[in-house]
Amino acid sequence: DAGVTQSPTHLIKTRGQQVTLRCSPKSGHDTVSWYQQALGQGPQFIFQYYEEEERQRGNFPDRFSGHQFPNYSSELNVNALLLGDSALYLCASSSGLAGSIGELFFGEGSRLTVL
Amino acid sequence: AQTVTQSQPEMSVQEAETVTLSCTYDTSENNYYLFWYKQPPSRQMILVIRQEAYKQQNATENRFSVNFQKAAKSFSLKISDSQLGDTAMYFCAFNDNTDKLIFGTGTRLQVFP
Repeated sequence: DAGVTQSPTHLIKTRGQQVTLRCSPKSGHDTVSWYQQALGQGPQFIFQYYEEEERQRGNFPDRFSGHQFPNYSSELNVNALLLGDSALYLCASSSGLAGSIGELFFGEGSRLTVL
Repeated sequence: AQTVTQSQPEMSVQEAETVTLSCTYDTSENNYYLFWYKQPPSRQMILVIRQEAYKQQNATENRFSVNFQKAAKSFSLKISDSQLGDTAMYFCAFNDNTDKLIFGTGTRLQVFP
């Protein structure tokens, strides 16, 4: 049973560029959440997708956008990259609505470095 | 706004000993969930243990147990019989029935032989 898979694992971009990160949820899961984890910090919630729609959003600017596909996979897009966007981006999947709170399965993350 | 505080940036323990990691949180909600996650060097976050606020009984999972003090808004994790594989970052997290987890800044635990 494949867990949550993310790609790429590492990438380097320059300021002003755009980046797309991808996530495939655990088999049987239909909800995908994205978190940003800066070095030495805990993860911070970016947004969550369910039924191809953004259900909730954290305190992140509009430069951060996402998408969920019919097969439940998801993309995180960041435009106009800033040095401060350098972080580990974690994807987490879960199943359904209430009742699965916190039962998130995380991927290994995509390490983004902005130069 | 809800906040989660982990005041111990680093902890160390000898193999087979017991260690307790601290976590406090702030919320005005009455119904919520608390979690401890482990993040080993492989980076993959793994759920260690979960506590529902309406349950008075402290959660346990094998060598892992919590001390949940709702009035004090405290949620500590006790690891018994520590093993080398327990070496990792440990994050305390809070959820108030919304779709997001709020994490603390983490405690780096080193288990040495």
